[in-house]
Amino acid sequence: EDQVTQSPEALRLQEGESSSLNCSYTVSGLRGLFWYRQDPGKGPEFLFTLYSAGEEKEKERLKATLTKKESFLHITAPKPEDSATYLCAVRVGGRETSGSRLTFGEGTQLTVNP
Amino acid sequence: KAGVTQTPRYLIKTRGQQVTLSCSPISGHRSVSWYQQTPGQGLQFLFEYFSETQRNKGNFPGRFSGRQFSNSRSEMNVSTLELGDSALYLCASSLRGLAGGSTDTQYFGPGTRLTVL
Repeated sequence: EDQVTQSPEALRLQEGESSSLNCSYTVSGLRGLFWYRQDPGKGPEFLFTLYSAGEEKEKERLKATLTKKESFLHITAPKPEDSATYLCAVRVGGRETSGSRLTFGEGTQLTVNP
Repeated sequence: KAGVTQTPRYLIKTRGQQVTLSCSPISGHRSVSWYQQTPGQGLQFLFEYFSETQRNKGNFPGRFSGRQFSNSRSEMNVSTLELGDSALYLCASSLRGLAGGSTDTQYFGPGTRLTVL
């Protein structure tokens, strides 16, 4: 069964204190790993897609990396507005005429204090 | 370009009732997926529709159903509501969905918060 595990469950940082969030996965036929950010009461907001081990993507203070077993979301010099729940999801393969699905981790709740 | 819209945003129902939620995808997107989000289970996949056809279904009972219209708008229905159905129901749209070699990204709406009393 496909599994996605995120750690830590919650993380408190001081403004400017860099850290990393982890997403480990056990799936067969990975077709993409996605990072989303979710603010309270809102839908997930797309951040990154990674497809193959060694791939890296950056956006402002965020950098996502992918290995064969896990992905990291590095946050450099975070600001209070980076506070949110960060969700990792994996897409496993589907046949051409049938869909696959996204399997989500439980998320990491990040709080950045000023 | 307008994002994914969901109506209503909030809904309160009692056990045994049924409910219909609506989702309008981003213009040009033909795939709509539905997810249930609860504090205990996280985000779980319900089903995906593409060109009015259900293409994939998650592990939910038959009380949960959906459909998609020719304009790609989608509805999901939950019959005989139970207390455990209280959740945030999220809709996500993408151009071609998740089939085969598609590398589409799913974009989420704000969700419908359903409370069952």
